[in-house]
Amino acid sequence: ETGVTQSPTHLIKTRGQQVTLRCSSQSGHNTVSWYQQALGQGPQFIFQYYREEENGRGNFPPRFSGLQFPNYSSELNVNALELDDSALYLCASSPQVRDTQYFGPGTRLTVL
Amino acid sequence: GENVEQHPSTLSVQEGDSAVIKCTYSDSASNYFPWYKQELGKGPQLIIDIRSNVGEKKDQRIAVTLNKTAKHFSLHITETQPEDSAVYFCAAIITTGTASKLTFGTGTRLQVTL
Repeated sequence: ETGVTQSPTHLIKTRGQQVTLRCSSQSGHNTVSWYQQALGQGPQFIFQYYREEENGRGNFPPRFSGLQFPNYSSELNVNALELDDSALYLCASSPQVRDTQYFGPGTRLTVL
Repeated sequence: GENVEQHPSTLSVQEGDSAVIKCTYSDSASNYFPWYKQELGKGPQLIIDIRSNVGEKKDQRIAVTLNKTAKHFSLHITETQPEDSAVYFCAAIITTGTASKLTFGTGTRLQVTL
């Protein structure tokens, strides 16, 4: 059984640019959540998608947006990048909304 | 919203000793408490979890206890080994509306020395 995968592994962008991060859910999982983890801190909840709909959001501005596709893979889009957006972005999938969340390896984003 | 506090922030133990990490949460509606281990450059890996209707759960050298009245839960690792060295995060899940959101503690860096 394949676990959660994310791409790319690392990414460097400049302030003001836009970025798209990708996540493939674990087989059989229909719920995807995205988290931002700044250096030395715990992950912070960005939003959750269930069956292609956003069903919950944390304290992140609208320039953080996402998509979930019919195969339950997902994208995180960040517009107008700021220096503080530099972080590890984690995707987690779960069989259903209330189930255990399993994390991917993350994408390290650096904004210069 | 939910707030999870975790202590200590760093913990150094000798190989073979036990390690204990403690967390408290604020929202009594939280009903599921996973623990994750994160190694350098990797995503968090679930190591054990406990639901609110259970007071204790054990899996080999790892155990978790939950006190719902006091809103405390703890991770116990016995017979620590060098490969246990990592950052450990406690978390609480609260389901609001249709979403389940994990709120993480600030992490404990565990170092197991020979």
